[in-house]
Amino acid sequence: QSVLTQPPSASGTPGQRVTISCSGRSSNIGTNYVYWYQQVPGTAPRLLIFRNNQRPSGVPDRFSGSKSGTSASLAISGLRSEDEADYYCAAWDDSLGGLWVFGGGTKLTVL
Amino acid sequence: EVHLVESGGGLVKPGGSLRLSCGASGFTFSPYSMNWVRQAPGKGLEWVSSISSSVKYIYYADSMKGRFTISRDNAKNSLYLQMNSLRADDTAVYYCARGGYEEGFDSWGQGTLVTVSS
Repeated sequence: QSVLTQPPSASGTPGQRVTISCSGRSSNIGTNYVYWYQQVPGTAPRLLIFRNNQRPSGVPDRFSGSKSGTSASLAISGLRSEDEADYYCAAWDDSLGGLWVFGGGTKLTVL
Repeated sequence: EVHLVESGGGLVKPGGSLRLSCGASGFTFSPYSMNWVRQAPGKGLEWVSSISSSVKYIYYADSMKGRFTISRDNAKNSLYLQMNSLRADDTAVYYCARGGYEEGFDSWGQGTLVTVSS
């Protein structure tokens, strides 16, 4: 069972806006940055969001991140077929001497 | 362009050992924290270990403590993971990833498959 909780699946039609949630606790999301990764099956993960809401260069502004308390969300607007992938949230956790924790992943299907 | 290439994966028997390597190119290796993240077949991402640029800070996931050792050679632009006492549930693709708290894991290698089976 993952430390960060994500819904196992999400879906939307092209052009729609979808959000993926990520729930944690005070020792991780509550006090540290949240990161989001995209993984197309068969490929390596790719950083989408860092420091809660910052996009690396090359990531379209259709992707946005937010954080409130011990929860975070990834929003994808103008959904496209190439957005079909697995999405993972992650955060640093201050407990047990420090460690990185990931969510279990959300499989996004573009209908 | 940032390039990370893992190597050293393969088939190993339970209780055996394996040493993974990650060669870095396209950027100045020494200032960056580096990490290992694994993914069991059909499963999600699992953080394994991290090492700071100066080797001052090293962290491990609980299930790897005492069995895995992360190290780096800044002169050779390389990251390593020594894995001992391997178990079937260590079977996974192991990814090398660059970055830390400020920037996230901003570059990833293509991964190397470790299979632990008799």
